[in-house]
Amino acid sequence: DAGVTQSPTHLIKTRGQQVTLRCSPKSGHDTVSWYQQALGQGPQFIFQYYEEEERQRGNFPDRFSGHQFPNYSSELNVNALLLGDSALYLCASSLIFSQGATEAFFGQGTRLTVV
Amino acid sequence: RKEVEQDPGPFNVPEGATVAFNCTYSNSASQSFFWYRQDCRKEPKLLMSVYSSGNEDGRFTAQLNRASQYISLLIRDSKLSDSATYLCVVNIGYTGNQFYFGTGTSLTVIP
Repeated sequence: DAGVTQSPTHLIKTRGQQVTLRCSPKSGHDTVSWYQQALGQGPQFIFQYYEEEERQRGNFPDRFSGHQFPNYSSELNVNALLLGDSALYLCASSLIFSQGATEAFFGQGTRLTVV
Repeated sequence: RKEVEQDPGPFNVPEGATVAFNCTYSNSASQSFFWYRQDCRKEPKLLMSVYSSGNEDGRFTAQLNRASQYISLLIRDSKLSDSATYLCVVNIGYTGNQFYFGTGTSLTVIP
């Protein structure tokens, strides 16, 4: 089991550019959630995808969008990048419904630097 | 109001000390609770789930108080390898599993 995989691991972009980050969930999981973690902060929920639809969204502008594919993998797109978008972007894989407590599994993250 | 609130610390403790972290959550419908550990520049990893009856895993003890919407983590006999950020995580799962994180509490264990 490869666990949660994210690509790329590091990325440098210029202000105003667009970026696409990718995530493959853990085998058997159907839900992908994306988080932004700024330096010294906890992960902030961006949105969650299930059945190829955005189910829940955190307090992030429309510049942040996503997609989920039939194989459950997901993309996070950020348009018109700002310096403040520099952060570690984490993908979390889980089941949307489960009996009892369930944990979220994280990928190693994509470190995005906007210059 | 944030879904999950934590004291960010930092906590600097000597080896062998006992240290406790606290966390509160705002949504009374929250269904499950976790402590995650995050090492510098790494992804968060599950440390332990938190059950209503309280649970222990070696030197680590987690407690949940649903009435007060409060979660705690106790680490006994701290080791240098315990140095990390500890994240309180709440699953607000009434429409499906959805996880919210606290800001994390930084722990440094000093020789």
